[in-house]
Amino acid sequence: QQQVKQSPQSLIVQKGGISIINCAYENTAFDYFPWYQQFPGKGPALLIAIRPDVSEKKEGRFTISFNKSAKQFSLHIMDSQPGDSATYFCAASSRGSQGNLIFGKGTKLSVKP
Amino acid sequence: GAGVSQSPSNKVTEKGKDVELRCDPISGHTALYWYRQSLGQGLEFLIYFQGNSAPDKSGLPSDRFSAERTGGSVSTLTIQRTQQEDSAVYLCASSLWTGEDEQFFGPGTRLTVL
Repeated sequence: QQQVKQSPQSLIVQKGGISIINCAYENTAFDYFPWYQQFPGKGPALLIAIRPDVSEKKEGRFTISFNKSAKQFSLHIMDSQPGDSATYFCAASSRGSQGNLIFGKGTKLSVKP
Repeated sequence: GAGVSQSPSNKVTEKGKDVELRCDPISGHTALYWYRQSLGQGLEFLIYFQGNSAPDKSGLPSDRFSAERTGGSVSTLTIQRTQQEDSAVYLCASSLWTGEDEQFFGPGTRLTVL
């Protein structure tokens, strides 16, 4: 049973455009929702994260929108740049658990110049 | 400040051989996690350590997989009698303590079983 569903699988955006990646979760015990960015040959790196007590969090060009009732959250990348081309993973965990992250399957983003 | 390091970066082995993958977490991090990333898939949780103990081994895919951590630092993931389906990138992450939000990932070990 996949606990975190991510879409789309791949995304092509023009430079300057907005990239939007969506995730849905099932376990209502999840209370931490990070997004990780991974470049080829590298490990994932934390990009931005949110807790369910807020509906939106913005850091620079990156914004997480969170809808607790729908059990969905999304990543918006404003003014997308070629350097943003990478694979993005959403994840979720529960503070009461051991802290292991449940990941979505990833979205490969390509930003065309 | 060194990050999480893993060795080897690449490992090619023959089916049936045993392999050991090593992870050096960030100094002072008490929690250590192993994940597996198969081609085109997300990251699959394998096991975590709080200090030297591994309270939950249920994520390990089979009894051919084992892991240990010594001195609250270095961890080794061992795969016995490797199979082709074990081919994947094995990622290690550490955090200050279990349940601490941010996990810092190493670059991974790419395992290829021929």
